[in-house]
Amino acid sequence: DTGVSQDPRHKITKRGQNVTFRCDPISEHNRLYWYRQTLGQGPEFLTYFQNEAQLEKSRLLSDRFSAERPKGSFSTLEIQRTEQGDSAMYLCASSSSSGRLIDAFFGQGTRLTVV
Amino acid sequence: AQSVTQLDSQVPVFEEAPVELRCNYSSSVSVYLFWYVQYPNQGLQLLLKYLSGSTLVESINGFEAEFNKSQTSFHLRKPSVHISDTAEYFCAVSEGAQKLVFGQGTRLTINP
Repeated sequence: DTGVSQDPRHKITKRGQNVTFRCDPISEHNRLYWYRQTLGQGPEFLTYFQNEAQLEKSRLLSDRFSAERPKGSFSTLEIQRTEQGDSAMYLCASSSSSGRLIDAFFGQGTRLTVV
Repeated sequence: AQSVTQLDSQVPVFEEAPVELRCNYSSSVSVYLFWYVQYPNQGLQLLLKYLSGSTLVESINGFEAEFNKSQTSFHLRKPSVHISDTAEYFCAVSEGAQKLVFGQGTRLTINP
């Protein structure tokens, strides 16, 4: 296990379709984060898991977005009824729960284009 | 809520010249500070971090950043840049123990 893995790397979808992204964290990391990065901006926090529990969700995460981490390992982020404004890079990160967010390792991201 | 301001959206420099990328954050309480680098079509890589102790932190590839509490700054510097340093650089501050708040990024372009 060499790092955080995200799949797919690129996704082009038509407006109104549903998409699902997967993130596999570093195996010993029990914290998992999703961020969204739009063009020319820094990443923005979406949600965070400690093991399988989703502990925080940003107001950016509308009801069309849902994230899961069913067994405390990999995570999925689903976007329903995609809109053009959902076009962005979706980044996943993981870290260990040593009391502080100290070393968050990021995956290479999934670039979503909604046409 | 925390906020991070990166004062320059783009910084062009010549190869082997020094560079400074500026970062200011909003918090007046103890924070952790980070610089991440993003190469084209890649995810973020941690460049360096300040947690406590010495206010000057260094990375393995020659970058350094200085934490200045009175000015709430964490500027990134390198005395001599290389073409391979061309990338986007993001300053980030911890908000609680759960997440990072990022600046908008600075695109560093190295000209030969």
